[in-house]
Amino acid sequence: AQSVAQPEDQVNVAEGNPLTVKCTYSVSGNPYLFWYVQYPNRGLQFLLKYITGDNLVKGSYGFEAEFNKSQTSFHLKKPSALVSDSALYFCAVRDRLGRGSTLGRLYFGRGTQLTVWP
Amino acid sequence: DAGVTQSPTHLIKTRGQQVTLRCSPKSGHDTVSWYQQALGQGPQFIFQYYEEEERQRGNFPDRFSGHQFPNYSSELNVNALLLGDSALYLCASNRGGSVNEQFFGPGTRLTVL
Repeated sequence: AQSVAQPEDQVNVAEGNPLTVKCTYSVSGNPYLFWYVQYPNRGLQFLLKYITGDNLVKGSYGFEAEFNKSQTSFHLKKPSALVSDSALYFCAVRDRLGRGSTLGRLYFGRGTQLTVWP
Repeated sequence: DAGVTQSPTHLIKTRGQQVTLRCSPKSGHDTVSWYQQALGQGPQFIFQYYEEEERQRGNFPDRFSGHQFPNYSSELNVNALLLGDSALYLCASNRGGSVNEQFFGPGTRLTVL
């Protein structure tokens, strides 16, 4: 079965420093991977996705993620953190299976709370 | 271009009651998925609708049911509410037949007393 692990419940960084939010996955076959961000009392906002191709994926708000097949990881990164990046981040993997092969469900990790200190 | 919309924003019910949550997908999207997000947890998949049929279902009891209408909007119904059903219910939409990302609505906060 597909699953995602986010090993850190919290990540704290100083503004201006680089940040990394970790994610590892377990899937059958090639994965579709996603990162979402959630602000308090809000829904999830899409940041970026990996489908195929270049292992370094660039997304919204200066975020990027590196797909590493050998380590089954998809870590989210940003070169210089902002206080406004403070939020809850979710990694997700998409299921390719089901009666409609492209109608996949998302499996989410537990989330990582990112706090950026001024 | 309106994104995914959900109603109501908040809802308070008592145990044993029934509730209906509503979702309108983003323009151009035909597939709707529902997720339950308990406090401190990641979203858990409930079910997915495409072409007015339930296509996939997560590990949720039959008390959870849904419907998709010809205009692609969707409803989530929960019968015989339990305290443990208290959560944020998220609706997501995407265009079926592609690997596009799912767009999420703001959610409905359900509190069961």
